[in-house]
Amino acid sequence: DIVMTQSPDSLAVSLGERATINCKSSQSVLYSSNNKNYLAWYQQKPGQPPKLLIYWASTRESGVPDRFSGSGSGTDFTLIISSLQPEDFATYFCQQTYTTPEFTFGPGTKVDLK
Amino acid sequence: EVQLLESGGGLIQPGGSLRLSCVASGFTFKNYFMTWVRQAPGKGLEWVSGISGGGGSTYYADSVKARFTISRDNSKNILYLQMNNLRVDDTAMYSCAKDGPYGNAFDVWGQGTMVTVSS
Repeated sequence: DIVMTQSPDSLAVSLGERATINCKSSQSVLYSSNNKNYLAWYQQKPGQPPKLLIYWASTRESGVPDRFSGSGSGTDFTLIISSLQPEDFATYFCQQTYTTPEFTFGPGTKVDLK
Repeated sequence: EVQLLESGGGLIQPGGSLRLSCVASGFTFKNYFMTWVRQAPGKGLEWVSGISGGGGSTYYADSVKARFTISRDNSKNILYLQMNNLRVDDTAMYSCAKDGPYGNAFDVWGQGTMVTVSS
């Protein structure tokens, strides 16, 4: 099974500042046949289900603001929120979507207001 | 509007059974792999079970194998999760999710239904 880890567990950020969240998989999620990384990012607010932000490590889902960006390849990935807005305070999860169909999640990173 | 709506959760004693339902609307249900994900209170997301569009292939996390059964009725656009021999550590919010068209990510989630296993 692929194990996902995230860092930090939480971070406190001021409005307008940048937030960086890291995600690491225990094995590569790069699919060689199409050169795509099967890594997704979700945002979850209290009392709500997760919302898909990014798939294929760096492709934003339709409607997701461009202040959210994903990068990385192989086993190491990063989600950056370039300028935090009030609605961005939430918990963020990465997920490997490589090992069909058991797509394991990272433990989450909570972004709080500083 | 694409929507998933779960029901069937509740308070159940250890060893008991529940059947969860997830009604889908706004998309061609039979064309999509569907998944159940759970989240224990204050904890992270755990993949529980998945089923292919036609229902012929099913998959389970080790933690629920032989106790839970996933199924679907494509004529009614409903996904099910039959949960037997429930344990205290099955307590969680159970959500159904739709596989997106790209990268296997889950592009639509239901609000979830809470299952509490307690004596």
